[in-house]
Amino acid sequence: GDSVTQMEGPVTLSEEAFLTINCTYTATGYPSLFWYVQYPGEGLQLLLKATKADDKGSNKGFEATYRKETTSFHLEKGSVQVSDSAVYFCALKNSGYALNFGKGTSLLVTP
Amino acid sequence: DGGITQSPKYLFRKEGQNVTLSCEQNLNHDAMYWYRQDPGQGLRLIYYSQIVNDFQKGDIAEGYSVSREKKESFPLTVTSAQKNPTAFYLCASSLSGTSGMGEQFFGPGTRLTVL
Repeated sequence: GDSVTQMEGPVTLSEEAFLTINCTYTATGYPSLFWYVQYPGEGLQLLLKATKADDKGSNKGFEATYRKETTSFHLEKGSVQVSDSAVYFCALKNSGYALNFGKGTSLLVTP
Repeated sequence: DGGITQSPKYLFRKEGQNVTLSCEQNLNHDAMYWYRQDPGQGLRLIYYSQIVNDFQKGDIAEGYSVSREKKESFPLTVTSAQKNPTAFYLCASSLSGTSGMGEQFFGPGTRLTVL
């Protein structure tokens, strides 16, 4: 079946550091891919998305490129801020009805 | 403002009690979902509904029940048969179940604690 694998956290970075959170997937066909962010005690917010190979999703300085050849959708940001501290979830949507989530990666950014 | 509301934010239950979590959306979405979140385990699907008066079990439906009598509402009942109900519960909706990009929009969640 479909699955998503994310790098385990927590990831701790200093402010203005470069961020990469790895995400790889296993799926048949051509799934849509998503990154969601969850701040403490809140629900999930859609951060960015991509629907086909080589698409780049971007939002609030975050970027991710849909790489079919490596089945990856790594999240990147050039300069993180303390306010980026949160849990980040990679997810895919295939022919079924629900999203298939990774386990989440916790990010802590220190001043 | 369009969005998804969940209530209550915090809920405490004694063992053996049934409790119902509310989820309402005004996005005019056809599909709605319930997920359970446990620390370090990501989100797991409990139930989903593509249209009014229809719903299907997800991966962990045992001990839960739902109804979909109105398009806007998808309440979740946690029954006494659920062995370990303490968790964070998230409701979501999408424009449709299978077509389109499939992005889902989430409510703020309900934290259920069994005393």
